This record gives sequence, structure tokens and C-alpha cells, in this order.
Amino acid sequence: GQNIDQPTEMTATEGAIVQINCTYQTSGFNGLFWYQQHAGEAPTFLSYNVLDGLEEKGRFSSFLSRSKGYSYLLLKELQMKDSASYLCAVRDSNYQLIWGAGTKLIIKP
Amino acid sequence: IAGITQAPTSQILAAGRRMTLRCTQDMRHNAMYWYRQDLGLGLRLIHYSNTAGTTGKGEVPDGYSVSRANTDDFPLTLASAVPSQTSVYFCASSASADSAETQYFGPGTRLLVL
Repeated sequence: GQNIDQPTEMTATEGAIVQINCTYQTSGFNGLFWYQQHAGEAPTFLSYNVLDGLEEKGRFSSFLSRSKGYSYLLLKELQMKDSASYLCAVRDSNYQLIWGAGTKLIIKP
Repeated sequence: IAGITQAPTSQILAAGRRMTLRCTQDMRHNAMYWYRQDLGLGLRLIHYSNTAGTTGKGEVPDGYSVSRANTDDFPLTLASAVPSQTSVYFCASSASADSAETQYFGPGTRLLVL
């Protein structure tokens, strides 16, 4: 079966750095996405990785290792508005997105 | 309008009733998707359409049907609602079904089936 694993919840302090991990086992791999979802709202796109390595976009970076079936999302200089759920999704061999359950990130002052 | 709209925003529905959730996008995207999101579970694909006139089944299609008569609209129908269909439903679209294309989501419809 196909599986995406992420921690259920993480807590971090405003101004700090947090790393959210995602491991996956899917039938094929055609890219990995990270989305942000605030409570009661729709998911919004953060990053896309298809090759191994680090993609940096402002305060957010995403890393991929295809051989390990592993990705992480790194959030720097945390702000209160970063309190949200972060969803990892992998596009499989049928080009469909398989989603993790999401990691709820709580930012404390 | 800009992006994707969904209607209704929320709905309480009696079991056994028929219900159509509406989704419209104005980005001229070829691909559209319907997901349900339940607490503790990831988004699960119900049905998808890679282009107008074609549809396909996702991971959890039973009890749902879709149509794609034109590029902009992708309605989802529950023929006879059951309590297990209580969920938040998101419609999404992407320029194409290609691997690198980002999916953009509508605001969601919160459905309670009693």
C-alpha cells in the first residue's frame, strides 16, 4: 500500500527554527509537495521537490532524498502566523497526489 | 471571481437525500479534483478530471459521481447521502495533470449528514 508519514503535532517558539519530517512509500514517484493549511481554510502550496536536494524559498526550505523516501520542511524565524498544519503529498506513478495526515505546528511566544 | 469557488459553504443534510456540491474555476485549468478531508486522515481523492469531457475514479469514489461538461465546472453529486459522508470537501484544479503542476484549492464545503 501507499503511505505518507508525518508527526501529528509539533510545538516551537516564535523566532526559532523547526523541521517537519515526511517519509513516504508510494507506487512510483513524480514529485513531492508541501502545503500549508490554516484551521478552517484550504491548503495552499508551499514547495515542490522532484530532484534530491534542498529548495529554498524565503523563510521556508524543503529537502528531498528519493533513495530514502524522505523529505523535510524547514521553517526559519518562526512567526505566530506560521501556526498551521503542514501537509506532505507525493505524486505517484498514476500522477495522483497521495497525502499525509498533516503536522499541526503550534507556535508559542 | 478569481481562483476556485465552491458552494454551498456548509450544509446539513438528512441521510438518504441527494446533494450536489458545486465547484467553478476561472483559471482555465484543464485538470480538476474532488477531495474529502477527515480528522486524522490525509486528503483523499474522490474523483478527478484531466480535461473537459473526461473523469476518473480516485481512492474513495463509492457513493459519489461527477461530470465535466465544460472546463470551468466540476460538480460532485451524492446520490443518497449517508452519515459516513460527513466531511469537508475540497475542490482543486491544476493547469494540467503533469507532475510539476501545483493544485489550487477552493475554500471547501463542510457537510454534515444526519
